[in-house]
Amino acid sequence: DGGITQSPKYLFRKEGQNVTLSCEQNLNHDAMYWYRQDPGQGLRLIYYSQIVNDFQKGDIAEGYSVSREKKESFPLTVTSAQKNPTAFYLCASSTYTGSEVLTFGAGSRLTVL
Amino acid sequence: AQSVTQLGSHVSVSEGALVLLRCNYSSSVPPYLFWYVQYPNQGLQLLLKYTSAATLVKGINGFEAEFKKSETSFHLTKPSAHMSDAAEYFCAVSDLSSGGSYIPTFGRGTSLIVHP
Repeated sequence: DGGITQSPKYLFRKEGQNVTLSCEQNLNHDAMYWYRQDPGQGLRLIYYSQIVNDFQKGDIAEGYSVSREKKESFPLTVTSAQKNPTAFYLCASSTYTGSEVLTFGAGSRLTVL
Repeated sequence: AQSVTQLGSHVSVSEGALVLLRCNYSSSVPPYLFWYVQYPNQGLQLLLKYTSAATLVKGINGFEAEFKKSETSFHLTKPSAHMSDAAEYFCAVSDLSSGGSYIPTFGRGTSLIVHP
């Protein structure tokens, strides 16, 4: 079945460490997105990408980095510069940017110890 | 930049009662409008989408939403709540960003609580 796979589902990190969250899709979607979800704050856009080797900052990109070397993959690195990284991270994809329905992965929950 | 307001972080109803979740957006031009549902520790799933073909949009699980341009609203309703409807609901809007692409913006979400 086509869909988006995020891994790991749960991740614990010590302060000062970088971590990378994986996002893979087999839907042949052009656009991919990373959102951060915190209780009561909804989903906030971190980065998005419309095509391979190109990506744009969202509203809260500071402390995060991404790459888009393949159409199906859009990994997110949470760097040590992110001051409050504990959150639920959601990856999504769509056929076009925003005008179409987003397909979401199941999410990755990052906890900083 | 687009903004989305969902009135009420929590809505509590009895099973069988009407469900009404409110969503207002800020765009002066009708954008693309969506409602998504999220169950605990899962990603979001589409409930329905406004495509400009009709102001009343029907979605899955008996939900529907009405687009009202004059009120810049896209409220979600269901005539009779079921226990399985308990979840987090997000309204989302897409409009053209400064870069010329449609970028989705989400509201803060409304948690629907259904009492037996």
